[in-house]
Amino acid sequence: GENVEQHPSTLSVQEGDSAVIKCTYSDSASNYFPWYKQELGKRPQLIIDIRSNVGEKKDQRIAVTLNKTAKHFSLHITETQPEDSAVYFCAARSPLGSARQLTFGSGTQLTVLP
Amino acid sequence: EAGVAQSPRYKIIEKRQSVAFWCNPISGHATLYWYQQILGQGPKLLIQFQNNGVVDDSQLPKDRFSAERLKGVDSTLKIQPAKLEDSAVYLCASSPVTGINTEAFFGQGTRLTVV
Repeated sequence: GENVEQHPSTLSVQEGDSAVIKCTYSDSASNYFPWYKQELGKRPQLIIDIRSNVGEKKDQRIAVTLNKTAKHFSLHITETQPEDSAVYFCAARSPLGSARQLTFGSGTQLTVLP
Repeated sequence: EAGVAQSPRYKIIEKRQSVAFWCNPISGHATLYWYQQILGQGPKLLIQFQNNGVVDDSQLPKDRFSAERLKGVDSTLKIQPAKLEDSAVYLCASSPVTGINTEAFFGQGTRLTVV
């Protein structure tokens, strides 16, 4: 099955700086890569996603890049703000027969220091 | 749009007891997932339903966990008997069944503590 590794596990940045979180996946057939933000005690919420036919996608201060050859994708947050502090999870969806398994990374605790 | 509903929000039980969680997905979503999220880890898929059929339960500890989705809408996840290592947040998610652009929407989760 799919295996997703995520780094770093913790990340602290100063407000206004950029943050980068990286993930690798094992199944070359995976074709959908969402990123979720989970605030303490709350549900994971989708913040951005990218399909395998796209190399980069941007939404305001958030961008995701995908390198299919190397099987890795990254989340970039620019001009970080204290409210960006949360746990971020990457995920990869592999087409497994009729199922579309969504496998998550282990998460990155991002802390934005004021 | 109403979100994924789960209950209860919190549950504390003793080991060897049984427990059940309930999930009501977003209306019209054919796919329903149950994830286990241990503290400090990412969600781990336990079981995935498509309507009322199981499409993947390879990571479900079937000796103690069971799940059903009668009528293809609500779902229940049961643990019997519970072990200490079952302490986790149990997340239910749902998504429409179309192509690959299918975002999974999560419920608030049920935090289970086994003592």
